[in-house]
Amino acid sequence: DIQMTQSPSSLSASVGDRVTLTCRASQTIKNFLSWYQQNPGKAPKLLIYGASNLESGVPSRFSGSGSGTDFTLTISSLQPEDFATYYCQHSFRTPYSFGQGTKLEIK
Amino acid sequence: EVQLVQSGPEVKKAGESLKISCKASGYSFPNNWIGWVRQMPGKGLEWMGIMKPADGDIRFSPSFEGQIIISADESLSLAYLQWSALKASDTAMYYCVKGGAYGSVDVWGQGTMVTVSS
Repeated sequence: DIQMTQSPSSLSASVGDRVTLTCRASQTIKNFLSWYQQNPGKAPKLLIYGASNLESGVPSRFSGSGSGTDFTLTISSLQPEDFATYYCQHSFRTPYSFGQGTKLEIK
Repeated sequence: EVQLVQSGPEVKKAGESLKISCKASGYSFPNNWIGWVRQMPGKGLEWMGIMKPADGDIRFSPSFEGQIIISADESLSLAYLQWSALKASDTAMYYCVKGGAYGSVDVWGQGTMVTVSS
């Protein structure tokens, strides 16, 4: 089965900062990679699918890149509502799996 | 509007059975993958399994195969997650999810909290 590893596990940043989160797959997943944002007590929300496609309604400050085994999620200018936990998920073949998450905190 | 509305919270004892449900609306239920994701208290997301109602194709994570039953009623656009004998370690939030492009999860239910006491 394919394992997903996210780094860092947590990150402190300030409003307006540019941040990059990383996700690595244990073997190639081509571009079958999605990113989600989860706020406390809420269901996750899809941000990016197919490694780089922005889900409808998601602000353009979010962007995704990568293919094969290494992927990134970049937030170009952090807003207060972006402080949350972010998960990547592969869908190359079943069983799909999520990374362990990156918690983005206010500095 | 595409929606997944899940059944309410459950409090059960270890060894009891349970079936929770997810009502889908706003899209073609038979032809889209629908599945379940677990989140234990304070922990991350775990992909449990998915099924395609139209043909009954079901795929499980090895961690959950044999422990749960995933099913659907096409006529009612309902998906189900079922346990025959709960354990305390099944205490978690369970999300019903719809498969989207590139195998992403494009719609999430509101979650069903299952609490199992020993």
